[in-house]
Amino acid sequence: DTEVTQTPKHLVMGMTNKKSLKCEQHMGHRAMYWYKQKAKKPPELMFVYSYEKLSINESVPSRFSPECPNSSLLNLHLHALQPEDSALYLCASSQDDREGYNEQFFGPGTRLTVL
Amino acid sequence: AQSVTQPDIHITVSEGASLELRCNYSYGATPYLFWYVQSPGQGLQLLLKYFSGDTLVQGIKGFEAEFKRSQSSFNLRKPSVHWSDAAEYFCAINFGNEKLTFGTGTRLTIIP
Repeated sequence: DTEVTQTPKHLVMGMTNKKSLKCEQHMGHRAMYWYKQKAKKPPELMFVYSYEKLSINESVPSRFSPECPNSSLLNLHLHALQPEDSALYLCASSQDDREGYNEQFFGPGTRLTVL
Repeated sequence: AQSVTQPDIHITVSEGASLELRCNYSYGATPYLFWYVQSPGQGLQLLLKYFSGDTLVQGIKGFEAEFKRSQSSFNLRKPSVHWSDAAEYFCAINFGNEKLTFGTGTRLTIIP
């Protein structure tokens, strides 16, 4: 199984809502990533989890809260978002983030719209 | 400073024609190099990667890329494009840490 799954595919939320994005992989990968991608732009790294511990936070606002309950699951909790947070949120995983030659496998993304 | 550049924002080619997408980087050593493709509204799919050995690498969907150390380049090629190749292509580089640095992307349009 070489797939990263993400749910939901689409999400519309108001600025006062609380929602969560979910990502799952069953490849035995020990590194998982959250990216944000605006239209016509490359993905921007948000968070990296390595062996279930947060290893990189790219100065992301606290209204985004990541969680890694186990080695296969990655969540992104959303609260009090702004309309400019509307984007495609991509999850990825790799064998290990400490070896640069390990490719990242990407999920299909969650299209988030904040009203 | 470490950087990756895709000089072409948009390329249009005819179906059946050959394709070359450019990627250049700035780094003092040989980085780990990747090409990803993204169809509209979808995730990224790895086409190929290079980190050592033969400088001409073969990937999926008939793509290949050549690493040229002297030119700090890793250009993607395909001898004959198909309409289904229309997508956004990202060159991505790992400069020896936990992060991938993406180029700005090249949008490929295929005309019949």
